[in-house]
Amino acid sequence: DQQVKQNSPSLSVQEGRISILNCDYTNSMFDYFLWYKKYPAEGPTFLISISSIKDKNEDGRFTVFLNKSAKHLSLHIVPSQPGDSAVYFCAASENSGYALNFGKGTSLLVTP
Amino acid sequence: GAGVSQTPSNKVTEKGKYVELRCDPISGHTALYWYRQSLGQGPEFLIYFQGTGAADDSGLPNDRFFAVRPEGSVSTLKIQRTERGDSAVYLCASSPTGHEQFFGPGTRLTVL
Repeated sequence: DQQVKQNSPSLSVQEGRISILNCDYTNSMFDYFLWYKKYPAEGPTFLISISSIKDKNEDGRFTVFLNKSAKHLSLHIVPSQPGDSAVYFCAASENSGYALNFGKGTSLLVTP
Repeated sequence: GAGVSQTPSNKVTEKGKYVELRCDPISGHTALYWYRQSLGQGPEFLIYFQGTGAADDSGLPNDRFFAVRPEGSVSTLKIQRTERGDSAVYLCASSPTGHEQFFGPGTRLTVL
């Protein structure tokens, strides 16, 4: 049973435009959410996170939005750059334990 | 500073053999995690160490899998009687806080 779902396996965006990656979760006990970026043959790289007490967190070109009532979060990348092309994983954890539950990932391609 | 390192980067073994995978966490990080990632999936939690003790081993699939962290730093994941289904990328992560986790490049295990 997948508790974190990324329903779009892939996304293609033109350079300079906004990329929006979506993530849904089913476990209401999750209270911390993270986005990771992964290039081939490398481990996931931490991008940005958000606690359940917030609904938005921004870091440079990256913004994460959390909608707890809908159990939905999204990652916005503005403006998108070709170097952003990678697989993006959404992850969530419960405060009681720190195991991360990952989605299956969304492959983002930013075209020039 | 140095990130999480994992050795070997690739391991090919025969069904039924024993393997050990090593993880060197970021210096000073007390929390250490093992995940495994199969093709087309997100990382799947295996075990979490806080210091020397396993705080949560609920993700270990069966008793063929075991992990140790005897001095609270380096960790070894041990797999006995390997099966073809064990083939995956094994990822190690460390964390100072338990929320943001920093991943190594992984060990790609292939069981023939």
